[in-house]
Amino acid sequence: SQTIHQWPATLVQPVGSPLSLECTVEGTSNPNLYWYRQAAGRGLQLLFYSVGIGQISSEVPQNLSASRPQDRQFILSSKKLLLSDSGFYLCAWSGPGETQYFGPGTRLLVL
Amino acid sequence: AQTVTQSQPEMSVQEAETVTLSCTYDTSESDYYLFWYKQPPSRQMILVIRQEAYKQQNATENRFSVNFQKAAKSFSLKISDSQLGDAAMYFCAYMADSGNTPLVFGKGTRLSVIA
Repeated sequence: SQTIHQWPATLVQPVGSPLSLECTVEGTSNPNLYWYRQAAGRGLQLLFYSVGIGQISSEVPQNLSASRPQDRQFILSSKKLLLSDSGFYLCAWSGPGETQYFGPGTRLLVL
Repeated sequence: AQTVTQSQPEMSVQEAETVTLSCTYDTSESDYYLFWYKQPPSRQMILVIRQEAYKQQNATENRFSVNFQKAAKSFSLKISDSQLGDAAMYFCAYMADSGNTPLVFGKGTRLSVIA
């Protein structure tokens, strides 16, 4: 069966520091991968999605970037965090045209 | 662009009773999928139910069922015999059937279950 992992689970970072969140999927190959952000008490905002290694689509222009160095690895990064980057970050995977399944998420607090 | 609207920010239900959460969507596509996800306090998103637009039969998963009205672009979720563990945020989501499109989410409905 497929599983999806995210780490870290919680992160507290100062403004201006870099960020790296990692997401990995097991038990499947060539998945579609997604990064979402959820601000407190709000819905999900799609940040990036990828249909293959090195293929990244950005939905929202901002100081975040994503990379997919391996088939089942998806990384969300920032060179300099802003206060507004605080939130809950969810990674998801799916087969083409199939249901998305979500990881446990990372809580990011930027101070 | 496709949009998903959940008009009920909050709902409450007595334990063992039935509650219906509303969702409408806007699309010009004829083939698509609709989903309900549950987000408990742990904040992990859990799939509740999925409906293919080409299927006329409403999807059912145990105590969860949907009322899919394609012409009206409506996709409501019915929870029967509500349990305390059903308390969560519920998100309606849409996905076009074009292979590699992401989900479009509604803003969610917070469901409280009263013992």
